[in-house]
This record gives sequence, structure tokens and C-alpha cells, in this order.
Amino acid sequence: SQQGEEDPQALSIQEGENATMNCSYKTSINNLQWYRQNSGRGLVHLILIRSNEREKHSGRLRVTLDTSKKSSSLLITASRAADTASYFCATDSDRGSTLGRLYFGRGTQLTVWP
Amino acid sequence: GAGVSQTPSNKVTEKGKYVELRCDPISGHTALYWYRQSLGQGPEFLIYFQGTGAADDSGLPNDRFFAVRPEGSVSTLKIQRTERGDSAVYLCASSWGGNTEAFFGQGTRLTVV
Repeated sequence: SQQGEEDPQALSIQEGENATMNCSYKTSINNLQWYRQNSGRGLVHLILIRSNEREKHSGRLRVTLDTSKKSSSLLITASRAADTASYFCATDSDRGSTLGRLYFGRGTQLTVWP
Repeated sequence: GAGVSQTPSNKVTEKGKYVELRCDPISGHTALYWYRQSLGQGPEFLIYFQGTGAADDSGLPNDRFFAVRPEGSVSTLKIQRTERGDSAVYLCASSWGGNTEAFFGQGTRLTVV
């Protein structure tokens, strides 16, 4: 399976603190994406990082990718209560037969206390 | 439309019945995906369309599940002889193509009683 796995499964922090979530995967990829989900419904796309990129920023989000270790991290700086949600990493495949399919992990449940 | 639209948002059906779930992708997106998510799990891939054709349907769990996209836009996921184990949130996503960011709808919560 190429499924990504997020770590930790749950993270609880105070507002203003930074939150770091990690993702590991098993096979080579073209890109890795991070998504956010509130209350088990639609996923919101946060950031996409390509296999030839090592770091990417978007607002308070910082994503790193280490293809040699097959891992990625998502850092949310200066967290807010509104950041409370589940966060998923999703990997694709560089194999033509499964191009387009995204593989998700079980997610990290982030709780930010006011 | 502005985003991916899924209807209905909730569906309760009796075991053994047939259901159809609809997805309206973002206009112009050629790729469309269906995923299924159970409580506490990540989305599980079902099927991927590129245009009108199913490029990868290997995630469909069995022959009770079928999906179509006849005109390369709207897609319908069809489930025959529903079982209680089919209860889940069914998510649809669209994108410009493989290897680009996918935009998800709000999902259809299917409950089989």
C-alpha cells in the first residue's frame, strides 16, 4: 500500500503555539498534498508540494518534503482555535497505471484551545 | 459553479435499496474522483474519471458499485442492493488532471438502515 500515515493521531495545543504534523509514505511520488477537514465533511486543499521541492510556504503554513526519508511535515504557526480540524496528507503515484489516484492516511486530529 | 457540488448532502436508505449520488465538478475540470470515508478513517479511493472514461476503477469494492460520467462533467455513483457496511461519507473531487490539486465537495453522508 502507498498509504500515507500521519503522526501524531491527535494533537492538543494552546492558541498561539505552533503545531507540527508528520506524514510518512511508502513509494515514490510525483507530489504530496495536505488537506484539512472539519467535522468529517468536505476536505479543503491546503498546499501541494512536488517531489523536486523541499519546502513550501503558504501564510501560516510551512510544508517540508524529504523524499529520501519518504516523509513530509506540516507546520502551522501561531495556531488559532479556528485551526481545530483533522489534517490529512495525500500522496499520488508516479506509476502510470494509478496516475490521478490519491492515497490518504488516517489524519491528525488537531485541537487548539483558546 | 464555484466549487464541487454533491447532492444529496444526506441520504438514509433501507438495506437492499438502490441509491444514486450526484457530483457536479468545477467547470472545465477534466478529472473527477470518488472517495469513501468511514468514521475515523481517511478517504478511500473508489474511482477516477478522465473525461468520460473511467481511468481507474480498481477502488470500487464490488459489482454493486458503479459510476458514470456520460458527458465528461456530472458524475453519478450508483450503489445497488445497499448494505449497512456501505454507510459512509461519499466524497467527490475534481481537478484539471492527474498530479494537480484536487478540490473536494462537501460529501454525501449515506446511512443504510
